[in-house]
Amino acid sequence: DIQMTQSPSSLSASVGDRVTITCRASQGINTWLAWYQQKPGKAPKSLIYSASYLQSGVPSRFSGGGSGTDFTLTISSLQPEDFGTYYCQQYQTLPLTFGPGTRLDVK
Amino acid sequence: EVQLVQSGAEVKNPGESLKISCTASGYIFTNYWIAWVRQVPGKGLEWLGIIFPRDSDTKYNPSFQGQVTISADKSINTAYLQWSSLKASDTAIYFCARSFSYSSLSLYDPWGQGTLVSVSS
Repeated sequence: DIQMTQSPSSLSASVGDRVTITCRASQGINTWLAWYQQKPGKAPKSLIYSASYLQSGVPSRFSGGGSGTDFTLTISSLQPEDFGTYYCQQYQTLPLTFGPGTRLDVK
Repeated sequence: EVQLVQSGAEVKNPGESLKISCTASGYIFTNYWIAWVRQVPGKGLEWLGIIFPRDSDTKYNPSFQGQVTISADKSINTAYLQWSSLKASDTAIYFCARSFSYSSLSLYDPWGQGTLVSVSS
């Protein structure tokens, strides 16, 4: 299985801050990577696919980058509604695997 | 609007069987894969497996193979996840989700609202 790791596991930031979350795959996955946001009590919502393509309706302050084994999710100017847990997911190889999540609190 | 609606929360005793459902609407059910994902409360996401409703081609995560069964009824646009003998460790929220593309290798969007399964004596 491809193992996914994320850092940090949690962070707290202020409105307007630039926030970056990192995801690493245990082997190369090209750009077969997605990012999700999950709020408490809700289902995950996809934000980014193919490492850097924004899903329809997702604010442009979100961006993704990377290829191979190292990826980033950046929020350029943090908003209050951006709190939640962020997960990366590889979809190069079955079984599909998720990162452990990064919990983001907005101060 | 593409939508997945899951069956309601379940409370079961260890050893009991259970089948939960995920009903799709707003798209051609037989064209996309449906995945099942587990989330133990307060923990991360685990991929259980997927099914292609057109021919019921099913792929399991080896870690869960034999523990759950995934099926689908294309006549009523519904996918299922079932257990023959529940354990306390099966307590979790179970999400269904549709593949974003036609491929089995895909991200998922949209997701169902989740079904909480509680197993306790």
